[in-house]
Amino acid sequence: DQQVKQNSPSLSVQEGRISILNCDYTNSMFDYFLWYKKYPAEGPTFLISISSIKDKNEDGRFTVFLNKSAKHLSLHIVPSQPGDSAVYFCAASLDAGNMLTFGGGTRLMVKP
Amino acid sequence: ETGVTQTPRHLVMGMTNKKSLKCEQHLGHNAMYWYKQSAKKPLELMFVYNFKEQTENNSVPSRFSPECPNSSHLFLHLHTLQPEDSALYLCASSQDITGSEKLFFGSGTQLSVL
Repeated sequence: DQQVKQNSPSLSVQEGRISILNCDYTNSMFDYFLWYKKYPAEGPTFLISISSIKDKNEDGRFTVFLNKSAKHLSLHIVPSQPGDSAVYFCAASLDAGNMLTFGGGTRLMVKP
Repeated sequence: ETGVTQTPRHLVMGMTNKKSLKCEQHLGHNAMYWYKQSAKKPLELMFVYNFKEQTENNSVPSRFSPECPNSSHLFLHLHTLQPEDSALYLCASSQDITGSEKLFFGSGTQLSVL
């Protein structure tokens, strides 16, 4: 059973609007969460992360929110740009090591 | 050349072939990983090496055989694969395996088993 789930396989957003990508997890022991971005024919690249001691982390246009009670995190991109079109993976890890558990990914398409 | 480099980018092999995937990192990292990404599935961790020692084998079939001669190089030897092994194989590295180190991925090898 998947411990990290991204229930929306795809998302389409107009340029300039907000993109919200969601991720749910089942293991309450996860305490570090990351988002990776993947363009076609390239490996995933790290985007932003959040520790379980925080509920929000912001980096430019990207903000990650963590709701521990709901075991839910989300990535907000505002304003969305066509270059943001990619597959976004959320991942979670336990404090004891770096064995990331990935979600299945959400393909974001930002239309000009 | 920087980052994590994987070769070949694409590989087609028959079920009786033997081939190897190569990964090289130029980041000075101590940990290296193999991940598998099948269509419509999450990335699956296969193997982890830390300071050249294997620390994780995620129940991977023996037809996949990793080798880590040094902290900069990682190989995945393939033999008698099955068509369901067709996938994108990603190599990654990190400074170490403790805490919350970020992974740096290569571009992957797209493998097709006929």
